[in-house]
Parts: sequence; C-alpha cells; structure tokens
Amino acid sequence: GAVVSQHPSWVICKSGTSVKIECRSLDFQATTMFWYRQFPKQSLMLMATSNEGSKATYEQGVEKDKFLINHASLTLSTLTVTSAHPEDSSFYICSARDHGQHGYTFGSGTRLTVV
Amino acid sequence: RKEVEQDPGPFNVPEGATVAFNCTYSNSASQSFFWYRQDCRKEPKLLMSVYSSGNEDGRFTAQLNSASLYISLLIRDSKLSDSATYLCVVTGSNYQLIWGAGTKLIIKP
Repeated sequence: GAVVSQHPSWVICKSGTSVKIECRSLDFQATTMFWYRQFPKQSLMLMATSNEGSKATYEQGVEKDKFLINHASLTLSTLTVTSAHPEDSSFYICSARDHGQHGYTFGSGTRLTVV
Repeated sequence: RKEVEQDPGPFNVPEGATVAFNCTYSNSASQSFFWYRQDCRKEPKLLMSVYSSGNEDGRFTAQLNSASLYISLLIRDSKLSDSATYLCVVTGSNYQLIWGAGTKLIIKP
C-alpha cells in the first residue's frame, strides 16, 4: 500500500533553533499534503495544506513565517519550524492525499521537544 | 462548538464485552467519515470508513446518521489489543480531515 516516510521521528532542540521535518511519499504521488500537530490529549489540528508547486494554505492562527512549508515535488514536502520555542513542542504529522486513490496516508509523526 | 465532538472517556471495559462510541459533527456538508485508531505516541491508523448504509468489518460496525449529524462505532467481543484512542474524523470542504479529540478505550482482562 501507499507509504509516507516521515523523519525525524523525534527531535530535541534548543530554543531559537530551526527544525526541518520531511515527508516523502514512497510509491505514489502526493498531490496534496496536510500538516497537523497534536498536543497531549488533544485532537490533531490542521496547520496547513499544500499542493505541489504552489504556496501552502495556512489555517487561522498558524504563522506562515514560523512554519515554512515546501512542497516542491510530488514526492516530498517539508515543514520547517523556525526559531522554535518550548510552546512549539508537539507531535507533528503529515498526511498525503493521492487524488488517484482518494485516500489519506499518514507519516509516522515527529515528536518535537524544544528545551 | 467544536466541529467534531467525542466523549473523551476513558471507557474501562472488560475483555469480551461490547462497547459503543458516538461522535457528533457540525458541518452537514461533510461527505466522508472515518474512524481512526491511535496508540500512545503513534500516528493514527485508519480503522474503517463510515458509509451511510452502515458497514461492518469483523468485530467493528460503523453507522452514520447524516440527519442527526452523528457517527457511531461498535466493537464486539473486545480484545485487550483494542485498547487505544478512537478518533472520529470527517472531511472538510478542501478534503482536509477534521478530527475529534478521541475517545480512550481501556480493555481490562
């Protein structure tokens, strides 16, 4: 079946540094990539939606200059958390939608801890 | 009001029992509905889609009531391995997934 490889699985970084998270579709073309984050005991919250080759659409309250999304190819999307702060500590997860299969495939998630 | 609401639980259920979860959603235009399962610190995994006619997959039965805007999940003959958080999900207008906060299920031996 469709697989999305997400890495790193976990990362601990110092406050003020930037962290890049990659999601790569291995055997299908991810025309749309959704980026979510999940705080403990809360639901997944959509941060942004990106379509290959175009700018991401950010949800209300999500700073586009802080969470940089690049979806330059049909198999790779990246989320960069710039100048990370402890409140950015969360579980970040991508989900690719293959328009051909009409399904959603999730990456395995990245647990970010900012100290 | 949240777009998707679930009872957070936890539901403590003895092994072998039947348990049911409900979920309500607010957008009558939602077209696709799912139940996902999430284990602690893992990504959510699709359990089953929910169809208007109701559907069954082994011990799991899902129902949709689009008139009342709720979805249900029934688990029969529960197993210890069913312990997890069950997430109700509906699609938005741009195919994004809108998630409930999940219902925690604990199956006890």
